[in-house]
Amino acid sequence: EDQVTQSPEALRLQEGESSSLNCSYTVSGLRGLFWYRQDPGKGPEFLFTLYSAGEEKEKERLKATLTKKESFLHITAPKPEDSATYLCAVQGYSSASKIIFGSGTRLSIRP
Amino acid sequence: SAVISQKPSRDICQRGTSLTIQCQVDSQVTMMFWYRQQPGQSLTLIATANQGSEATYESGFVIDKFPISRPNLTFSTLTVSNMSPEDSSIYLCSAARPESSYNEQFFGPGTRLTVL
Repeated sequence: EDQVTQSPEALRLQEGESSSLNCSYTVSGLRGLFWYRQDPGKGPEFLFTLYSAGEEKEKERLKATLTKKESFLHITAPKPEDSATYLCAVQGYSSASKIIFGSGTRLSIRP
Repeated sequence: SAVISQKPSRDICQRGTSLTIQCQVDSQVTMMFWYRQQPGQSLTLIATANQGSEATYESGFVIDKFPISRPNLTFSTLTVSNMSPEDSSIYLCSAARPESSYNEQFFGPGTRLTVL
């Protein structure tokens, strides 16, 4: 069964303090791994799709990387506006269009 | 990316009643999905809304409780029937286009439902 585990559950950083969020996954044939950002009271906002091990994607202060077992979302010199919940999700070839979401990491950046 | 709107944005309902949530996409999409997000938790897929055919429900969700309509390529509704307090949750609609191979789903803002 496809599974996604995110850690840590919550992370508090000082503005400018870089860190990484982890997403470990188990899937029978990875079709895609996705990162989303969710602000309180809003729907998830799409950030990245990664398809194969070794792939990297960047957007502003965020960089997502992928291995065969996990993905990292690196945040460099974060700002308070980066505070949100970051969700990781996977889609396997056996699950058609279904996407399995992790429980998320609540990121808080203090000024 | 598609722009997705949902109505209502929030509602407070009495036990035993039903609520229909509307999802409108600003362009034609092949796949539409309905998710539930309980407080402090992640998203759980309820069903895939198929245009021109019945919705495909995930384990633990049934059509009698969550009937879904998909009359065209830009619109879908989810009804939460015979509600109980356990149905209090955020309900989210998402959509994907075939050129994205259904990979990249874009979400609406959600409907926050409270059942008393």
